[in-house]
Amino acid sequence: LAKTTQPISMDSYEGQEVNITCSHNNIATNDYITWYQQFPSQGPRFIIQGYKTKVTNEVASLFIPADRKSSTLSLPRVSLSDTAVYYCLVVRTGVGQGGKLIFGQGTELSVKP
Amino acid sequence: GAGVSQSPSNKVTEKGKDVELRCDPISGHTALYWYRQSLGQGLEFLIYFQGNSAPDKSGLPSDRFSAERTGGSVSTLTIQRTQQEDSAVYLCASRATSGREGEQYFGPGTRLTVT
Repeated sequence: LAKTTQPISMDSYEGQEVNITCSHNNIATNDYITWYQQFPSQGPRFIIQGYKTKVTNEVASLFIPADRKSSTLSLPRVSLSDTAVYYCLVVRTGVGQGGKLIFGQGTELSVKP
Repeated sequence: GAGVSQSPSNKVTEKGKDVELRCDPISGHTALYWYRQSLGQGLEFLIYFQGNSAPDKSGLPSDRFSAERTGGSVSTLTIQRTQQEDSAVYLCASRATSGREGEQYFGPGTRLTVT
C-alpha cells in the first residue's frame, strides 16, 4: 500500500480554516484516500473518503489533484472541539482486499481560542 | 442505533496470564477488524474477518495472539501468556458490506495493562 506522509502537528485558532496536506506518491489505481479523526481515549472516526477531484460532506472537504499523489483535508471554521489527531490513509479496494486500514503517525491539530 | 461495543473497557493482568477481549460489532456489519494502539507502534492492524471467509491474520504479531468470530457477529481476541509489550489499547471496528471500504466504525477500545 502507498505510504502516506503528513505533518506531525499543526496549530490553528478558532474560526480559521485548516488545511492538512498528505502525500501518497505511490498510490495505485484502485486505492481510495480516506481521512480519520481521533480524540484522546476514543477510537478513530471516519471523516471523508475520495478518489479524485473534490468531495464535500457536512464535516470537511477533500481535495485531490489529477495525479492523486497528494490530498488536502479542509476543515472550515475550526472550533476548540476539532483538536484531535487526523490520519490520512490510502485504502485498497477490490475483491479480496478487505479494506484494512494502515495508519501512519497522523497530524496532531491543536486549535487555540 | 448502537455502535461497536467492547469489553472490558480496562484490563490489568499479570505477565504470563491469558486474556480475552470481546467485541460486539454493529448489527448487520459483515466485516470486523481488530487493531491495537500503543505509544511506540501507533495504530496497527491485527486481523480481519469477512463473512464466512478465512480471516486475514497478517497483522497478528505472534502466535500468542488469536481471534475468532462466532456466528458472524461477536468476536473475541485472545492473548496467551501476556507480555509487557502487549500493553496497549485494543480497538475493534466493523464495516457494512455495502459501505465504503475505508469507512469503519470503531469501538471505544479495551485498555490492556500487563504488569
